[in-house]
Amino acid sequence: TQLLEQSPQFLSIQEGENLTVYCNSSSVFSSLQWYRQEPGEGPVLLVTVVTGGEVKKLKRLTFQFGDARKDSSLHITAAQPGDTGLYLCAGLGNEKLTFGTGTRLTIIP
Amino acid sequence: NAGVTQTPKFQVLKTGQSMTLQCAQDMNHEYMSWYRQDPGMGLRLIHYSVGAGITDQGEVPNGYNVSRSTTEDFPLRLLSAAPSQTSVYFCASSYSRWGPRYFGPGTRLTVT
Repeated sequence: TQLLEQSPQFLSIQEGENLTVYCNSSSVFSSLQWYRQEPGEGPVLLVTVVTGGEVKKLKRLTFQFGDARKDSSLHITAAQPGDTGLYLCAGLGNEKLTFGTGTRLTIIP
Repeated sequence: NAGVTQTPKFQVLKTGQSMTLQCAQDMNHEYMSWYRQDPGMGLRLIHYSVGAGITDQGEVPNGYNVSRSTTEDFPLRLLSAAPSQTSVYFCASSYSRWGPRYFGPGTRLTVT
């Protein structure tokens, strides 16, 4: 069974601060997806990383796939209240997509 | 395009009742799936389909049935509701089993 652990589970920071959330596994994934979910809605895809060491930027969000393709991180610069939500990583391996348990992020104005 | 739609948005059932959660997509995606989301458990795959007429079990299939008669529709049936099935249910579609998932807005189900 492939497991994806996300940390921290909860994070509450002030507007303007930087933060990093992590997605870790002992399994190798062929690709990794990051989603954001807002209350009362379904998750929405933010990015897919495919190559070990790959870095992708989406405005103030920076996603990195680990060199060994077992882990990933999401860094947010100058967090804004609109970044509040549940962030989910999902790893694709053995033709199966496994979701992490999520990081619930709250940005305080 | 509406994307992925789900009905109903909310539902309360009594133990033992049956019901069908509806899911439809207008993106001509071959792959469709049902997940349940519980606190601290993440999204867990219930059933999935790689095309019309083809379905398979996911991680937590017990107590649920699915069918896929058309590309667009993928209903989820609860045969005899139990309190353990209280959860938020999401339908998702994708162009392939390896692709990103497009999720519906979810159905919040409470079984009393």
